[in-house]
Amino acid sequence: SQKIEQNSEALNIQEGKTATLTCNYTNYSPAYLQWYRQDPGRGPVFLLLIRENEKEKRKERLKVTFDTTLKQSLFHITASQPADSATYLCAPRGDYGGSQGNLIFGKGTKLSVKP
Amino acid sequence: EAQVTQNPRYLITVTGKKLTVTCSQNMNHEYMSWYRQDPGLGLRQIYYSMNVEVTDKGDVPEGYKVSRKEKRNFPLILESPSPNQTSLYFCASRLYSGTSYEQYFGPGTRLTVT
Repeated sequence: SQKIEQNSEALNIQEGKTATLTCNYTNYSPAYLQWYRQDPGRGPVFLLLIRENEKEKRKERLKVTFDTTLKQSLFHITASQPADSATYLCAPRGDYGGSQGNLIFGKGTKLSVKP
Repeated sequence: EAQVTQNPRYLITVTGKKLTVTCSQNMNHEYMSWYRQDPGLGLRQIYYSMNVEVTDKGDVPEGYKVSRKEKRNFPLILESPSPNQTSLYFCASRLYSGTSYEQYFGPGTRLTVT
């Protein structure tokens, strides 16, 4: 069955450093992968989508890579700020749910950026 | 403002007492879904709907029902709630076609079943 692993439950970094979060998937090849941010007690908020034919995607201080050979996506936040503290969810496309598919969510990585 | 709304936001109930959690979106999205989120388990899909009158099971549908009579509404029904359905529930919506796959989530409903 499809399996998603975000291999750090928590990541603590100093303000100004680059945070790197990892998402690994097994047993399938998703056509795309999304990243979401979730603050405590709130719904996830979409950040970025990357397709299987894209190696890298950027949005302001965010960068996502997608390595279909390693079956891995990396999510980077450069020049991190305390306001970036949140849980980040990896969500590759699943194999049902119509032409666009559903999403399978990882358990998330809780990022804490210390001043 | 584009949004997904859920009601109630908090609910404490007793085992076996039927309840409905409402979900509504104002973005004319075809696709809507329900998730539950539990510590250590992450977000898991309960049911989804690709359009009016079209619904299907997600990964954890047992004990839940849904209906999609109107495009904007997708209520979640618990006919006989049990304590293992205590969880944080999220409704989400997105377009079904095109190139935008972004999902919009509601604010969540925290349900406690005693």
